[in-house]
Amino acid sequence: GQQVMQIPQYQHVQEGEDFTTYCNSSTTLSNIQWYKQRPGGHPVFLIQLVKSGEVKKQKRLTFQFGEAKKNSSLHITATQTTDVGTYFCQWSAGNNRKLIWGLGTSLAVNP
Amino acid sequence: DGGITQSPKYLFRKEGQNVTLSCEQNLNHDAMYWYRQDPGQGLRLIYYSQIVNDFQKGDIAEGYSVSREKKESFPLTVTSAQKNPTAFYLCASSIAPNQPQHFGDGTRLSIL
Repeated sequence: GQQVMQIPQYQHVQEGEDFTTYCNSSTTLSNIQWYKQRPGGHPVFLIQLVKSGEVKKQKRLTFQFGEAKKNSSLHITATQTTDVGTYFCQWSAGNNRKLIWGLGTSLAVNP
Repeated sequence: DGGITQSPKYLFRKEGQNVTLSCEQNLNHDAMYWYRQDPGQGLRLIYYSQIVNDFQKGDIAEGYSVSREKKESFPLTVTSAQKNPTAFYLCASSIAPNQPQHFGDGTRLSIL
């Protein structure tokens, strides 16, 4: 069956360092979404990637969808304390296109 | 402003009691979802509804029930059959079933 892993589970960085989280699938994904959840808050939608090889940017955040649509990444340049939270990927695959969530990457930023 | 409203923000349940969590959206979205999140964990799908008067079980539906009588409303009842109900409950909606989801602020349920 399909397996998608989100890595790493945790990441601790110094403010100003870069950060990357990955979602890797064993099968082709229809699309992938990224969300951010601040501590104590609710997930907030960041971006949707649909096309093979797609790259989208939001200020210091860069989102990529692999050429084979089997992996995706979220990269934050020069992290700030406001980036603290858990980043989740969510994907759709298969005929029923059911949405499935990754387990998340928790980011801690030392000021 | 359009959005999703969950109430109450905090809820306490006594043993053997059913409680109902409210979720209302004015985004005109067809699809609505209920998730459960335990501390430090991801989101697990309880129930979802793609259209009014229709809903399907998610991955952890046992001990929960829902209704979808109106497009705007998708209440979740945590029944006494749910033996470990303490968690953060999140309601979400999307314009279509496989599209990005918008979340309410959540309800934190605890056992007295």
